[in-house]
Amino acid sequence: GENVEQHPSTLSVQEGDSAVIKCTYSDSASNYFPWYKQELGKRPQLIIDIRSNVGEKKDQRIAVTLNKTAKHFSLHITETQPEDSAVYFCAASGFKTSYDKVIFGPGTSLSVIP
Amino acid sequence: DGGITQSPKYLFRKEGQNVTLSCEQNLNHDAMYWYRQDPGQGLRLIYYSQIVNDFQKGDIAEGYSVSREKKESFPLTVTSAQKNPTAFYLCASSQDPRRKSYEQYFGPGTRLTVT
Repeated sequence: GENVEQHPSTLSVQEGDSAVIKCTYSDSASNYFPWYKQELGKRPQLIIDIRSNVGEKKDQRIAVTLNKTAKHFSLHITETQPEDSAVYFCAASGFKTSYDKVIFGPGTSLSVIP
Repeated sequence: DGGITQSPKYLFRKEGQNVTLSCEQNLNHDAMYWYRQDPGQGLRLIYYSQIVNDFQKGDIAEGYSVSREKKESFPLTVTSAQKNPTAFYLCASSQDPRRKSYEQYFGPGTRLTVT
């Protein structure tokens, strides 16, 4: 079945350093890969996404890369700030069995130390 | 934050009782989803619906039921058959992913406690 793995589960970085979170997916038909940020006590919100016809996408301090051959995609946050502290979820959709189904990774708890 | 609402925010039930969680959206979105969130396990898909009067099971549908009689509403019933119902439940919606935006908009969630 469809599966999304995410590593690491927790990540601590010093303010100003970079953070990288990696995900892998199982279904080669997947074609859409969003990243959501969930601050404590709040709902998840989309921060960036990438489609399978693109290898990299950047939005200010965040970027996502996709390696379709290896079925890997990664979130990169540069110049981290304390407000980046949150749980980050990767996800995948566009599966062979159901185009609209969305499967999330288990999440990464990022702590940015001032 | 508006557009998709869930009620109530906190819900307490006795074991053996069915309970229904509400999810309403006024975004005119076609697809709606229910997720369960437990610490360390991320968001696990319970059910999703692409269109009115149609829905599909997610990865952990056992012990849950849904209906989609109206485009705006996608209630989730947690039945007494669900072995471990205490959790945080999130509802989400998105426009038809095949034609428009894939982005999911989440509700504020309902924390269900069953004792």
